Amino acid sequence: GAVVSQHPSWVICKSGTSVKIECRSLDFQATTMFWYRQFPKQSLMLMATSNEGSKATYEQGVEKDKFLINHASLTLSTLTVTSAHPEDSSFYICSARHFRGAPRRETQYFGPGTRLLVL
Amino acid sequence: DQQVKQNSPSLSVQEGRISILNCDYTNSMFDYFLWYKKYPAEGPTFLISISSIKDKNEDGRFTVFLNKSAKHLSLHIVPSQPGDSAVYFCAASRMNRDDKIIFGKGTRLHILP
Repeated sequence: GAVVSQHPSWVICKSGTSVKIECRSLDFQATTMFWYRQFPKQSLMLMATSNEGSKATYEQGVEKDKFLINHASLTLSTLTVTSAHPEDSSFYICSARHFRGAPRRETQYFGPGTRLLVL
Repeated sequence: DQQVKQNSPSLSVQEGRISILNCDYTNSMFDYFLWYKKYPAEGPTFLISISSIKDKNEDGRFTVFLNKSAKHLSLHIVPSQPGDSAVYFCAASRMNRDDKIIFGKGTRLHILP
């Protein structure tokens, strides 16, 4: 299947600092990427949809000024957690939309996730 | 309103037996369904998918069945292996390419030795 990478895989930071997480589609171009958050023993929570060349679309309840998303190219989206606080500690996962087959069907391929711990 | 429901938060199955994971959906416009597997601290991995024009799709030990009239799909794993212990997410989407894939809350599968 298609490969999506995330960097870093884990990060520990002090409260008040900003953290940037990168998501890359390695062997395909993705006009759309998604950012999820997962709390322990809970499901994936979609945070926002990242569209190449345009503004991200945020889900209800997600602060767009807190979680900055940039989709600068067809293979890279970044999520920046600004002024991170301990409650932002979580597992962040990105995915990239990939179309395949005939008729074209969408499959999302996920990155390995980034664990963020804010002290 | 939860459009994709996985009503069993967990399931335990003996190694070698069949694991059946269930999923229900409410939106009759969904026409493409996917299953993902997730280990702790990793991203979900795509397992298998099915289009609404089919009622069954098989890939090795994994088979997905779709019952459109009941708005129900299931994932069968046979025989179950220890490495199958994970959380399984059911997902659905519509034909419109701009629509998001909607995920269920997941079912944690435990394969017992």
